[in-house]
Amino acid sequence: QKEVEQDPGPLSVPEGAIVSLNCTYSNSAFQYFMWYRQYSRKGPELLMYTYSSGNKEDGRFTAQVDKSSKYISLFIRDSQPSDSATYLCASCMDSNYQLIWGAGTKLIIKP
Amino acid sequence: DAGVIQSPRHEVTEMGQEVTLRCKPISGHNSLFWYRQTMMRGLELLIYFNNNVPIDDSGMPEDRFSAKMPNASFSTLKIQPSEPRDSAVYFCASTAREGTGELFFGEGSRLTVL
Repeated sequence: QKEVEQDPGPLSVPEGAIVSLNCTYSNSAFQYFMWYRQYSRKGPELLMYTYSSGNKEDGRFTAQVDKSSKYISLFIRDSQPSDSATYLCASCMDSNYQLIWGAGTKLIIKP
Repeated sequence: DAGVIQSPRHEVTEMGQEVTLRCKPISGHNSLFWYRQTMMRGLELLIYFNNNVPIDDSGMPEDRFSAKMPNASFSTLKIQPSEPRDSAVYFCASTAREGTGELFFGEGSRLTVL
């Protein structure tokens, strides 16, 4: 079992829909939880990160961590075609450089 | 402010040839990472430098791979001799906030070994 599990998709939704992307993890010592966005033929770009449990909101994006169920979520409201990309979740322990990556979910927003 | 700069963006070479990938981290970032990304294995950490010193090279596949960071603004990843299974996208990333998961990636070097 991988330490961070993520459905590779693709996930295809119509423009304007609410998107829910999810990961599960197994290591209870993880404290940082990140979402990276990767456009085709580009490097990953940090979208949001959360320390420990709770929600974090940034514009149309909301990151949610539930440590009791070891579940990480990213919600995208009012999805746009420009949101089409691969979304990677990642986790790490506090003060540890080693990020554990999910496989990435390919998201397609249809105009 | 310039981001992480990698070169070359694309490299096509023949098996057995030497390949050198280059990276310029963001100024002021003291941690540098080399990653490899493939469809099968996703993102894999190859080596991590802190203050120009290699801290963890356990991800380097074998002796054919080597990495250096001679100063704070430059790093190289060398493959000698290259093999078809080395075909992948190689990313360099840097950060000033080690241990938080906040990494800044370059655009990658796409390597094809024939």
